[in-house]
Amino acid sequence: DSGVTQTPKHLITATGQRVTLRCSPRSGDLSVYWYQQSLDQGLQFLIQYYNGEERAKGNILERFSAQQFPDLHSELNLSSLELGDSALYFCASSQNSGNTIYFGEGSWLTVV
Amino acid sequence: SQQGEEDPQALSIQEGENATMNCSYKTSINNLQWYRQNSGRGLVHLILIRSNEREKHSGRLRVTLDTSKKSSSLLITASRAADTASYFCATVIYNQGGKLIFGQGTELSVKP
Repeated sequence: DSGVTQTPKHLITATGQRVTLRCSPRSGDLSVYWYQQSLDQGLQFLIQYYNGEERAKGNILERFSAQQFPDLHSELNLSSLELGDSALYFCASSQNSGNTIYFGEGSWLTVV
Repeated sequence: SQQGEEDPQALSIQEGENATMNCSYKTSINNLQWYRQNSGRGLVHLILIRSNEREKHSGRLRVTLDTSKKSSSLLITASRAADTASYFCATVIYNQGGKLIFGQGTELSVKP
């Protein structure tokens, strides 16, 4: 158990819908990262927050947004979902940059 | 584009043999981390090696880092069927906030 908690574990939704994925980082970790894993793209970095502020942005679509709350949990919002958004979405956390990054078990999103 | 490239893409060995996976990257790094992923599951952190380190050990794992060649290797000694998984190297690029950039992974199959 990495200590990073993600909910929901599985989600099936229709095209055009909006979903929210939730992440609780390990106790004491200030950085939260979101990744998308798909068969064709591999593990892609989406976005990073540090203590509530956006720190780095990767290949995140405009239809996707994220935030980190004062209690350090984070949410990834995916809207206007398309079939191609079906993937495993990971949240990860670390104390600071340069430290070990721990991953949650992921949220499986299936768009039908 | 991915920062790291892993070699081989797939590796099949017998139980008891050693498994070596290699990773190359393109830019200066802060550290390099290796992860294991069982099919459809979360990423399990194995080991972190910093840019000023050349070798680290953890149980049956040995990781080397050659910054002059921008490469790393993961050696699993005396492999077991339970080691069957995908292995990823990921780099934290120097001065880019701490996010991990992943390679495409090596699929290791250990036959009993």
